[in-house]
Amino acid sequence: GAGVSQSPSNKVTEKGKDVELRCDPISGHTALYWYRQSLGQGLEFLIYFQGNSAPDKSGLPSDRFSAERTGGSVSTLTIQRTQQEDSAVYLCASSAAVNQETQYFGPGTRLLVL
Amino acid sequence: GNSVTQMEGPVTLSEEAFLTINCTYTATGYPSLFWYVQYPGEGLQLLLKATKADDKGSNKGFEATYRKETTSFHLEKGSVQVSDSAVYFCALKRAGSYQLTFGKGTKLSVIP
Repeated sequence: GAGVSQSPSNKVTEKGKDVELRCDPISGHTALYWYRQSLGQGLEFLIYFQGNSAPDKSGLPSDRFSAERTGGSVSTLTIQRTQQEDSAVYLCASSAAVNQETQYFGPGTRLLVL
Repeated sequence: GNSVTQMEGPVTLSEEAFLTINCTYTATGYPSLFWYVQYPGEGLQLLLKATKADDKGSNKGFEATYRKETTSFHLEKGSVQVSDSAVYFCALKRAGSYQLTFGKGTKLSVIP
């Protein structure tokens, strides 16, 4: 079946602009995660959604970052007033259950802030 | 807190050589342990996992054994191929949690 998909695959933006990154999880997966992969920090957890529960935003690095998940499926990660240090690969993952199942990752969105 | 330490790369091996990538962890309780692989230009893929002490995860000729006494989950393969060239990430997920904590990754290059 289809895996996790993300769009765009690449995004170049100017410092100060807002960007939106999209994630389509595997159909039927109730849990969705965002991670960031950057040269200096490795892979970092950003945010987690589980069903209709309030998301865990504890990993978001600043209030310029926000995410939503509509209808328990598609998620959008928004970065406002982008900074050069936001340049990274943003990875989305989904899983069938919170604690027991493996997380399946999408191909990522490579963001470059000039 | 939880942390994962894996050997620094890059690692360069000749085809058919033996591979070991060391991984140790710090966590409370009994986490689940994972190895993920990222091939050039692709996303993270689960390679193998182990959920309790002494479990051995295996896939595509790779193996790793969950060693509670040494808090380790070293990745091994008896004979690497050029197609194994990738970045390998060790990760843990604490029981009752959902966050994956990753090591910094080890880049493996296999030359013919």
